Amino acid sequence: QKEVEQNSGPLSVPEGAIASLNCTYSDRGSQSFFWYRQYSGKSPELIMSIYSNGDKEDGRFTAQLNKASQYVSLLIRDSQPSDSATYLCAVVPGPSSNDYKLSFGAGTTVTVRA
Amino acid sequence: ETGVTQTPRHLVMGMTNKKSLKCEQHLGHNAMYWYKQSAKKPLELMFVYSLEERVENNSVPSRFSPECPNSSHLFLHLHTLQPEDSALYLCASSRGTGATGELFFGEGSRLTVL
Repeated sequence: QKEVEQNSGPLSVPEGAIASLNCTYSDRGSQSFFWYRQYSGKSPELIMSIYSNGDKEDGRFTAQLNKASQYVSLLIRDSQPSDSATYLCAVVPGPSSNDYKLSFGAGTTVTVRA
Repeated sequence: ETGVTQTPRHLVMGMTNKKSLKCEQHLGHNAMYWYKQSAKKPLELMFVYSLEERVENNSVPSRFSPECPNSSHLFLHLHTLQPEDSALYLCASSRGTGATGELFFGEGSRLTVL
């Protein structure tokens, strides 16, 4: 079982629509969750972090966490062509783990069409 | 100076060559990482250095040899690589020395092994 799973996409949304990205994780003890954005040919950039159940909003981005169901999602409201990128979900292992391994999903590619 | 810089950005080498990748961080961080990124696969953690001491070696073949002379510099020495080692190699740094998801990545070194 993969530690962090994402739909690879591509997810195509029209400009102005909401893009919804989902991520599930296997370590029930995980406490910290992150979304990175990676433009083609560029390096990943941290855009959101979430630690508690519920929603966290930052501008047009909303991260949602449900620990009971072991999923974290990212909503992009009013999608813009500049949001076209691959979004990586990342999870820090729970306290029972002794390593530094931040587990990444393979990423969901989002294309916003004008 | 950008936060994390990597050189070279592109490298082509034969299987018998020896080369090195260099990473420098200007953020005053205490931990540095090497990740491997292959197409359609999750980021793979290779090595972690915390305060110049290696704390993670994620079952990486010995043809990859890391070096961390100080907290700002990280090298990845390469020798007798295989074509399957062709990938994007990303260096990252973090402020803390414990498990964290807040990484700052360099632009990467695109490696092609012939």
